[in-house]
Amino acid sequence: GAVVSQHPSRVICKSGTSVKIECRSLDFQATTMFWYRQFPKKSLMLMATSNEGSKATYEQGVEKDKFLINHASLTLSTLTVTSAHPEDSSFYICSASVGANQPQHFGDGTRLSIL
Amino acid sequence: RKEVEQDPGPFNVPEGATVAFNCTYSNSASQSFFWYRQDCRKEPKLLMSVYSSGNEDGRFTAQLNRASQYISLLIRDSKLSDSATYLCVVRGTGRRALTFGSGTRLQVQP
Repeated sequence: GAVVSQHPSRVICKSGTSVKIECRSLDFQATTMFWYRQFPKKSLMLMATSNEGSKATYEQGVEKDKFLINHASLTLSTLTVTSAHPEDSSFYICSASVGANQPQHFGDGTRLSIL
Repeated sequence: RKEVEQDPGPFNVPEGATVAFNCTYSNSASQSFFWYRQDCRKEPKLLMSVYSSGNEDGRFTAQLNRASQYISLLIRDSKLSDSATYLCVVRGTGRRALTFGSGTRLQVQP
């Protein structure tokens, strides 16, 4: 089945550091990928829709200059958390689907901890 | 009002029990419906899609009532390995992103 790989799985870094997270579709091409964030004991919240070859679409309240998204190829989207602060500590998960009406498959997630 | 609402639980049930989860969604134009399962500190994994006609996969049965904007999941003969958070998930018209409920936690006890 469709597999989505996310890397790294865990990041611990100092405040002010920028962190890049990669999301890859391993056996299919994904023109669209999604980035979610999940705080402890809360639901996944959509941050942005990553579109191959064009700008990402951000959800209300998500700062595009803070969370930079690049979708340079049909199998790779990256999320960069710029100048991360402790309040950015969260579980970040990407997803992609084979087609518009197909279920989405999730990456393993990245647990980000900012000290 | 949340777009997708679920009882957070927890539901504590003995092995072998039958347990049912409910979910309501607010957007009547929603097109696709799913149940995902999420284990602690892991990514969500698709459990099953939900269709208006109802569908069954082994011990799991999902139902959709579009008129009431209500989705359900029934788990029969609960196993210890069923312990997880079950997420009700909805996708709207012309929108590929998913909207998640906050999840219902299930703890199956020996």
